[in-house]
Amino acid sequence: DAGVIQSPRHEVTEMGQEVTLRCKPISGHNSLFWYRQTMMRGLELLIYFNNNVPIDDSGMPEDRFSAKMPNASFSTLKIQPSEPRDSAVYFCASSFLAGTSAYEQYFGPGTRLTVT
Amino acid sequence: AQTVTQSQPEMSVQEAETVTLSCTYDTSESDYYLFWYKQPPSRQMILVIRQEAYKQQNATENRFSVNFQKAAKSFSLKISDSQLGDAAMYFCACAQGGSEKLVFGKGMKLTVNP
Repeated sequence: DAGVIQSPRHEVTEMGQEVTLRCKPISGHNSLFWYRQTMMRGLELLIYFNNNVPIDDSGMPEDRFSAKMPNASFSTLKIQPSEPRDSAVYFCASSFLAGTSAYEQYFGPGTRLTVT
Repeated sequence: AQTVTQSQPEMSVQEAETVTLSCTYDTSESDYYLFWYKQPPSRQMILVIRQEAYKQQNATENRFSVNFQKAAKSFSLKISDSQLGDAAMYFCACAQGGSEKLVFGKGMKLTVNP
């Protein structure tokens, strides 16, 4: 089975540009999570969805960040406008909230974002 | 709010030896789950093992086992017969029941020496 798919794997952009990161969760999973990883702050949860509905976006740093999940197989994280401090690795993860495997999150390979 | 603490930023172990990675957590909930994730240089986050707080028996997955001390809020990971491929960052994480939010520790870098 395919795991969580993220694209692009690497993104280099200039300050002020719009950046869109994409995620396809594992088929059948009903929860999706966006994380940001930096050396200074470690792994931070930005937002998560359950059944395509945003449940908790308290980790979204500012209004420049937005996330959508239009259907069960696709989500985007958008940064507009981007700033150098947004440089990080962004992970998408998915899980199936039920039964004995509840709360196990499976991560994608991440997108390394560099904003110059 | 729950917190997860990994006090040792780095450890090293000789190949074939055993190493224990420490983790402490704090939560006010009685229903929670604990996890260890591995992040090799490829940066892929890989689930290693999970423990449900209501279970007294320590979880085991092949060479990986945990020592779950609920009263002490301690959740250590033991790696037996260490292999070169075990070299990675290891993250401890906690999820409160009903929340799905994972709170991660800062991570610990494990080096395996041949």
